[in-house]
Amino acid sequence: NAGVTQTPKFRVLKTGQSMTLLCAQDMNHEYMYWYRQDPGMGLRLIHYSVGEGTTAKGEVPDGYNVSRLKKQNFLLGLESAAPSQTSVYFCASSGQGRYEQYFGPGTRLTVT
Amino acid sequence: QKEVEQDPGPLSVPEGAIVSLNCTYSNSAFQYFMWYRQYSRKGPELLMYTYSSGNKEDGRFTAQVDKSSKYISLFIRDSQPSDSATYLCAMSASLAGGTSYGKLTFGQGTILTVHP
Repeated sequence: NAGVTQTPKFRVLKTGQSMTLLCAQDMNHEYMYWYRQDPGMGLRLIHYSVGEGTTAKGEVPDGYNVSRLKKQNFLLGLESAAPSQTSVYFCASSGQGRYEQYFGPGTRLTVT
Repeated sequence: QKEVEQDPGPLSVPEGAIVSLNCTYSNSAFQYFMWYRQYSRKGPELLMYTYSSGNKEDGRFTAQVDKSSKYISLFIRDSQPSDSATYLCAMSASLAGGTSYGKLTFGQGTILTVHP
C-alpha cells in the first residue's frame, strides 16, 4: 500500500516550458487535491477533484490545469512555466465524507 | 486577518520537555481539527484528528480543542529529537455547510527542534 505517490520528485524548467506532474493514490479515495507550499505562505489549494472526470478551481488556479481521467490519478499541468511557479507541489487525497487528507511526498519545481 | 493563526516559531526545546503547539481561528463553523507533522523536504503526515471540542490522546501526543475560545493545541510529552519537524494545524467546516468536499484551512506551521 503506497498511499499517495508523485512523479517526478524534482524538476527544473526554463520560463515558457511546459510539464505535467502526476499524482497517484491506491486508497480508492474519491477526492484529490493539488497544493503548492511556499515559505511564509503555507499550503495553498490550486485545484481539486471530487471524482473521476470532475475538477474545480481552488485558491490559486491561474497558470495551472488539471485532469482526472482515472479515479486513482490526478494530473497537474503547467502550460507555460513562470518563475513565480517555483514551489513545492503536493498532491493529497481523501475518502468520501472524510475530512482528513493524505499527502504525497511532493515535487520540487524550479523555473528559471 | 487570516482564518487560522499559528506562531511559526521556531521553537527549540531540550529532549524530554513537554511541548505545546497552538493555533487560533476565527471561523466558528470549523468543527474538524487536524494536526500534521512535516519533516524537512517531506510531505505532511497526518498526526491527530479530532471532532468538535475535547481532548484526544495517542501515545505521547494529546490534541485539545476549545471551540468556545477558538483555540486548539497539540501537546507532545517526553519530546524526542525525532519529533523535530514543522507542525501544521488544519481545520474544516462541516460538509453539510454547502461544500461537497472537506476543504482544509491550514496554519502556516510551527518549526520545532528538540535537541539532545
